[in-house]
Amino acid sequence: DQQVKQNSPSLSVQEGRISILNCDYTNSMFDYFLWYKKYPAEGPTFLISISSIKDKNEDGRFTVFLNKSAKHLSLHIVPSQPGDSAVYFCRGGDSSYKLIFGSGTRLLVRP
Amino acid sequence: NAGVTQTPKFQVLKTGQSMTLQCAQDMNHEYMSWYRQDPGMGLRLIHYSVGAGITDQGEVPNGYNVSRSTTEDFPLRLLSAAPSQTSVYFCASSSGLAGGTDTQYFGPGTRLTVL
Repeated sequence: DQQVKQNSPSLSVQEGRISILNCDYTNSMFDYFLWYKKYPAEGPTFLISISSIKDKNEDGRFTVFLNKSAKHLSLHIVPSQPGDSAVYFCRGGDSSYKLIFGSGTRLLVRP
Repeated sequence: NAGVTQTPKFQVLKTGQSMTLQCAQDMNHEYMSWYRQDPGMGLRLIHYSVGAGITDQGEVPNGYNVSRSTTEDFPLRLLSAAPSQTSVYFCASSSGLAGGTDTQYFGPGTRLTVL
């Protein structure tokens, strides 16, 4: 039972435009959501998070939106830069320590 | 402060061989975990530990063993390697204070090929 789904395996956008990465979840107990970024040949690194008591969290060019009724969150990158090209993973969090990630979305930002 | 370290970086095994992937962290984190990354499959949780002496199974535990004798180290053992275990393996740690809301810190990964 996959609790977190990223249905778009890849996304290609032009530099300067907006990138929108999506994540759906099924576990109603999730009260926190995190996005990680992974470059080739490196480990994932934390990017941004959001608590379930909020519907938006912004950090510079990165904004995460949470729609609890739809069990959906999205990561917006504005403006997109070539250095943002990476694989992005989302994860839900609750009191459990069984930390499950989505399958990832590979973002390519074209110069 | 080295963070999370993994050794080796690369390894080639023959089917049936055994080996141990090493993971260590110097952040005094209670929670440690192992993931494997395969194309199109994302990061899949193999095993995790919430503290020394405590381990539990993740999504894909078959063929792997773990133990946690110290806070710092969390080795992953492949008992009898199979080609299906060809993957990139990542170790991660977090403070363990807040369950799934903790930020995890990942090691650089071990690329394993089983022939």
